[in-house]
Amino acid sequence: QKEVEQNSGPLSVPEGAIASLNCTYSDRGSQSFFWYRQYSGKSPELIMFIYSNGDKEDGRFTAQLNKASQYVSLLIRDSQPSDSATYLCAVRTGGGNKLTFGTGTQLKVEL
Amino acid sequence: SQTIHQWPATLVQPVGSPLSLECTVEGTSNPNLYWYRQAAGRGLQLLFYSVGIGQISSEVPQNLSASRPQDRQFILSSKKLLLSDSGFYLCAWSLRTGTGQYFGPGTRLTVT
Repeated sequence: QKEVEQNSGPLSVPEGAIASLNCTYSDRGSQSFFWYRQYSGKSPELIMFIYSNGDKEDGRFTAQLNKASQYVSLLIRDSQPSDSATYLCAVRTGGGNKLTFGTGTQLKVEL
Repeated sequence: SQTIHQWPATLVQPVGSPLSLECTVEGTSNPNLYWYRQAAGRGLQLLFYSVGIGQISSEVPQNLSASRPQDRQFILSSKKLLLSDSGFYLCAWSLRTGTGQYFGPGTRLTVT
């Protein structure tokens, strides 16, 4: 069964710290990985995607992928209160465009 | 740029009533379209997806149905709502190459 797992949190970090969000997936055939940010009461917003092993940086965000360990993470540097949201990990498997989502990790950035 | 619209934003319906939610996409052609439901405190559940006009794939058996009468229009329907149909309904689109899905603003449905 294809699954994507995330710690539900909440993960609390002080303002200015690095927030580390983790995701594991069960299907070794997974090819593409996505991170979404969802503010309370709003729809998910795509913030990062990664296809290859290693790191991918975009501003304060870094996505890390380790296919051997079936692990993908999102690092947020210099965390701001505006980063407080639920972060959803999503995985695409095979040639189709369907995504399997984790249940999300709630991040709280405290002043 | 691409834009996705959903309406209504909120809806309160009695049990047994019909449902019609609409989603339209602007600024792209031949998108893949998706309907998701997000129940309170739970993850996103894929309900339907479509790769073209009239082509609908159902992911979860239920009392909902979907239609795609035009290339950039996706409709979610029900003949009789159940209490368990309450949730946040999200429409999304993607390119055929699948670089990620982009969500509309959602419809919050409460069945009473």
